[in-house]
Amino acid sequence: QQQVKQSPQSLIVQKGGISIINCAYENTAFDYFPWYQQFPGKGPALLIAIRPDVSEKKEGRFTISFNKSAKQFSLHIMDSQPGDSATYFCAASKRTYKYIFGTGTRLKVLA
Amino acid sequence: DAGVIQSPRHEVTEMGQEVTLRCKPISGHNSLFWYRQTMMRGLELLIYFNNNVPIDDSGMPEDRFSAKMPNASFSTLKIQPSEPRDSAVYFCASSLQGELGYGYTFGSGTRLTVV
Repeated sequence: QQQVKQSPQSLIVQKGGISIINCAYENTAFDYFPWYQQFPGKGPALLIAIRPDVSEKKEGRFTISFNKSAKQFSLHIMDSQPGDSATYFCAASKRTYKYIFGTGTRLKVLA
Repeated sequence: DAGVIQSPRHEVTEMGQEVTLRCKPISGHNSLFWYRQTMMRGLELLIYFNNNVPIDDSGMPEDRFSAKMPNASFSTLKIQPSEPRDSAVYFCASSLQGELGYGYTFGSGTRLTVV
């Protein structure tokens, strides 16, 4: 029940395309769902986050879609750029601040 | 703000030696987390402090691992004795509890290699 399942493991997208990464969770007590972006040799950095009282949140080219009934959430990267090439992690937490991370998606955007 | 500062960036040690990793959280943050990242297991939470007090250490793999936070601006993660299977990147992160919207801020990590 504590797991967060992330897919796909890796993704290759053409420049200008849409990158979509999906996550699913079991624990309905989770109430905060962040996405982190990690470049090689760096720590993960918070990209965007959503709470379950909204179905979508957009920040620039990055959008989180949240489906509470299906217990799924996804990250959409519009107009993907080579600079977006990184590993992306979804996470979920209750109000204990203990994040459960997904296994990561390695995104490569081709120029 | 300089962010979360970890040292050293890289550590190579021989099996059986003691290793100490250090972390300086962001000033004003009251929660600190130690994570370990490997290809096989991804990001694993080792221990979580709130206001310098360990709250959850269920992720600490075994007694060889210990963590301390003597004050709000410093934490250490110690492995004694170290083993090759401890080789990983160790991240420290901090956050301001009560402000969920800010999430965690991670340091750049310490890459530990035990030979």
